[in-house]
Amino acid sequence: DQQVKQNSPSLSVQEGRISILNCDYTNSMFDYFLWYKKYPAEGPTFLISISSIKDKNEDGRFTVFLNKSAKHLSLHIVPSQPGDSAVYFCAASGPGQRAAGNKLTFGGGTRVLVKP
Amino acid sequence: ETGVTQSPTHLIKTRGQQVTLRCSSQSGHNTVSWYQQALGQGPQFIFQYYREEENGRGNFPPRFSGLQFPNYSSELNVNALELDDSALYLCASSQTGHTEAFFGQGTRLTVV
Repeated sequence: DQQVKQNSPSLSVQEGRISILNCDYTNSMFDYFLWYKKYPAEGPTFLISISSIKDKNEDGRFTVFLNKSAKHLSLHIVPSQPGDSAVYFCAASGPGQRAAGNKLTFGGGTRVLVKP
Repeated sequence: ETGVTQSPTHLIKTRGQQVTLRCSSQSGHNTVSWYQQALGQGPQFIFQYYREEENGRGNFPPRFSGLQFPNYSSELNVNALELDDSALYLCASSQTGHTEAFFGQGTRLTVV
């Protein structure tokens, strides 16, 4: 039972254009969502997060949108840069888990390739 | 401020053996979580330790066990290794009341 899904295993985008990564979840108890980026031979690096009480959070080139009714979130990267080429993971945590240090449920990842 | 460090980075073990993986938490963090990432998949939550006690467990058998020490470093032990245990094992540290978990670079375990 996959509670967090990233249905696009890969994405290719031209440098300077927008990258849009999508994530769907099934557990309505999730109340906090995070995006991580992972390069080969490194651990995941935190990018941006959003609480379920918000529908948008922005940090520089990265914006995360949350649609609770659709149980869907997306990550927008504008403009995309070659250094953004990596695997991106969507993750979610449930009530009280932030206070306890986050037990995360991850999606399967989307590999992004930004072409110069 | 040091980040999360894991050792060893790579390990090859034989089926049936036991393995211990180690993690040093980021300075100031009191919670450590372990994840297993199989090839081509997202990380899966194994368990979490808070103040040296297990604080939640994912869908992993009892042969996966752990420890957290007073300095908040941690160990993951796996007994009776199976071929399917081959994966990247990730340690993440966090501080209660804060949002993000910070990951180490992982230990690549290969069971032959």
